[in-house]
Amino acid sequence: QKEVEQDPGPLSVPEGAIVSLNCTYSNSAFQYFMWYRQYSRKGPELLMYTYSSGNKEDGRFTAQVDKSSKYISLFIRDSQPSDSATYLCAIQNTGGFKTIFGAGTRLFVKA
Amino acid sequence: DADVTQTPRNRITKTGKRIMLECSQTKGHDRMYWYRQDPGLGLRLIYYSFDVKDINKGEISDGYSVSRQAQAKFSLSLESAIPNQTALYFCATSQQDNTEAFFGQGTRLTVV
Repeated sequence: QKEVEQDPGPLSVPEGAIVSLNCTYSNSAFQYFMWYRQYSRKGPELLMYTYSSGNKEDGRFTAQVDKSSKYISLFIRDSQPSDSATYLCAIQNTGGFKTIFGAGTRLFVKA
Repeated sequence: DADVTQTPRNRITKTGKRIMLECSQTKGHDRMYWYRQDPGLGLRLIYYSFDVKDINKGEISDGYSVSRQAQAKFSLSLESAIPNQTALYFCATSQQDNTEAFFGQGTRLTVV
């Protein structure tokens, strides 16, 4: 079993839709949770990070962590064609000695 | 100019050849990493370095070696390349709190 599971997609939605991207993880020792966005032929860029359980909002993006079920989510409101990219979730232990990435979900937002 | 620069961006090499991928950064970060990315497997850590005198193996270090020449430079070598090392390779840096990793543009390596 992979330590982080993420549906690879692809996920195709119309412009303006609400997008939900999800990951599950198996090791409850991890305390930091991140979402990276990767455009084609580019390196990943940090989109959001959260510590422990709860929600964090940044503009059209909301990251949600449920540690009891080991489930992390990223919601994108009013999705735009420019949101078309691969989204990678990541979990990290305290001290940053270990970061584990999901395989990434490829998202297409159609105009 | 990019904060994390990788060279070359693309490389095709033959089985058995030695190849070096280079990474330099202008962010002033102490921590540097090498990852490889494969479809369906995500990013996997090859080696990491927390300062100039520190080198650590990651999840998949077999067949690879690294050198941290300076705070700003971290190179990855494949001593004898094999086809299953065909992948997209990323260098990354982070501050000591490590909450954000900054990635280079990637090197697409093909071993034939």
